[in-house]
Amino acid sequence: EAGVAQSPRYKIIEKRQSVAFWCNPISGHATLYWYQQILGQGPKLLIQFQNNGVVDDSQLPKDRFSAERLKGVDSTLKIQPAKLEDSAVYLCASSPGKNIQYFGAGTRLSVL
Amino acid sequence: GENVEQHPSTLSVQEGDSAVIKCTYSDSASNYFPWYKQELGKGPQLIIDIRSNVGEKKDQRIAVTLNKTAKHFSLHITETQPEDSAVYFCAASIRSDDMRFGAGTRLTVKP
Repeated sequence: EAGVAQSPRYKIIEKRQSVAFWCNPISGHATLYWYQQILGQGPKLLIQFQNNGVVDDSQLPKDRFSAERLKGVDSTLKIQPAKLEDSAVYLCASSPGKNIQYFGAGTRLSVL
Repeated sequence: GENVEQHPSTLSVQEGDSAVIKCTYSDSASNYFPWYKQELGKGPQLIIDIRSNVGEKKDQRIAVTLNKTAKHFSLHITETQPEDSAVYFCAASIRSDDMRFGAGTRLTVKP
């Protein structure tokens, strides 16, 4: 069974530029999450989707971050404009239910 | 909201020894407690989990114990091997949208 796929693996941008990350969850998983993991810390939830609807986006900085999952499968997370403090690994996870989450390898973002 | 604390932040053991990582949580309603292993450059990998209706769970060299009264749970790795070296995260949740992670423990197994 294929795992959670994310791309790109690495991204370097300058502050105030925009960036987008893509996630393809495990087939059949209705729930998809985006997490931000700052170096030396545990993952922090940004947004959760159930199919193509948002369940929780209370931790998403909506002035600069946006996410969508239009067809209930793939998802994109966008940052515009990026700040230095957005440098982190952005992890996507999907769930078959019962709170179990499987993570992708992440996208490491460096904002210069 | 839920707060998860994890100790120690770093742990170094000799190959073959046991390693124990402990976590405490604040919300007594939490009912799901997974442990993740994260290797360099990779995403967190679920290695074992436990639910609040169980006190202990084992999977080969890995075990997790849960003390609901004290609100703490622990990961035990026996007969450690160099490939066990990684960062380990505990987490706690009540619902699917409130998973809180500890800050992580960097485990080093010396050959």
